[in-house]
Amino acid sequence: DQQVKQNSPSLSVQEGRISILNCDYTNSMFDYFLWYKKYPAEGPTFLISISSIKDKNEDGRFTVFLNKSAKHLSLHIVPSQPGDSAVYFCAAGFQKLVFGTGTRLLVSP
Amino acid sequence: SQTIHQWPATLVQPVGSPLSLECTVEGTSNPNLYWYRQAAGRGLQLLFYSVGIGQISSEVPQNLSASRPQDRQFILSSKKLLLSDSGFYLCAWSVPGAAGELFFGEGSRLTVL
Repeated sequence: DQQVKQNSPSLSVQEGRISILNCDYTNSMFDYFLWYKKYPAEGPTFLISISSIKDKNEDGRFTVFLNKSAKHLSLHIVPSQPGDSAVYFCAAGFQKLVFGTGTRLLVSP
Repeated sequence: SQTIHQWPATLVQPVGSPLSLECTVEGTSNPNLYWYRQAAGRGLQLLFYSVGIGQISSEVPQNLSASRPQDRQFILSSKKLLLSDSGFYLCAWSVPGAAGELFFGEGSRLTVL
């Protein structure tokens, strides 16, 4: 029972363009959503979050959008940079987070 | 500032051998503590969750156990490892009562042969 799904295992984008990573969830009780970035052999690092009472949160090049009716959230990275290449996990919950399977983003120069 | 460390970073163990992974948090009191596992091609799966000393919640039935002997120490153990226990194990902490954000350790890569 995968409550948080990232249906795209990988995404390739050119430097300077927009990267859009998507995430779907099934549990309407989730009230907090986060995105994490992970490099190989390292722990994930927090990127950006959004509460269920909002539909958008922005932090520099990163914006997270939440569509509660569709149970969908997305992460936009503009402009994308080669250093953004990593695996991105979406997560949902309050204290105990449920993670998606991750999307590997490759930003090419 | 708060820091979290886990060790060992890498280990290779034979099937049937015991396991002990240790995690410590510094710079905060009474954190919530977590053990997650990332298996090959899969997401991060929550294994154990603790809100205080001696208080452990197991999220999935498995061959592993966890203990919290001190406020900022979290240990993941197994008496007899299985091949399926291979994976990348991550310890994390969060502020009690605060929404969401987990702070992860560096991870421990376990290979069971």
